[in-house]
Amino acid sequence: AQSVAQPEDQVNVAEGNPLTVKCTYSVSGNPYLFWYVQYPNRGLQFLLKYITGDNLVKGSYGFEAEFNKSQTSFHLKKPSALVSDSALYFCAVRDPISSGSARQLTFGSGTQLTVLP
Amino acid sequence: GAGVSQSPSNKVTEKGKDVELRCDPISGHTALYWYRQRLGQGLEFLIYFQGNSAPDKSGLPSDRFSAERTGESVSTLTIQRTQQEDSAVYLCASSSYQPLGDGYTFGSGTRLTVV
Repeated sequence: AQSVAQPEDQVNVAEGNPLTVKCTYSVSGNPYLFWYVQYPNRGLQFLLKYITGDNLVKGSYGFEAEFNKSQTSFHLKKPSALVSDSALYFCAVRDPISSGSARQLTFGSGTQLTVLP
Repeated sequence: GAGVSQSPSNKVTEKGKDVELRCDPISGHTALYWYRQRLGQGLEFLIYFQGNSAPDKSGLPSDRFSAERTGESVSTLTIQRTQQEDSAVYLCASSSYQPLGDGYTFGSGTRLTVV
């Protein structure tokens, strides 16, 4: 079975400071990992994904994430936060060797990021 | 269409009434998913359709919930005898079955309020 943990319900950071939103995962094989963002009253939007290759992946709006296999983590980062980054962030995982309905993405519980001006 | 379309965007209903939520996936996406998001909470998986295979209904919270999808087109999620705890945003997403590196494309959701 695959699972995702986002240990922080809430992250607060001052504008201009670096931000990190944490995610750890559990799968039986090599994971496919995703980050989504949800702005108020909107659906989830895709930010970035890790499939294979470089451990540091870059995505939309200046976000990046680092895949760490030994720590089974995929933390989302941004060097300089903006107030407009304030939103709910979801990490998700898929185990590519799974079959049937297990091919679905499993989402974490979400982390509310607030960037203070 | 270009994206996943859900209707209505907002629905207020009285306790005990039935509601039907609609999802139009991206053309060519064989997989379709329904999730529920209660206020301040994460995504709760409800049901998954893949082509003409039997759907995975393992996430449906009770027999008041049902969903249908004809082929690879529109899906409807029906909630019978609505209860206040059904109040939530219901999100639909679609994806291609292959490759697995594709994520989901989400609709904007239907905000259901049971009064």
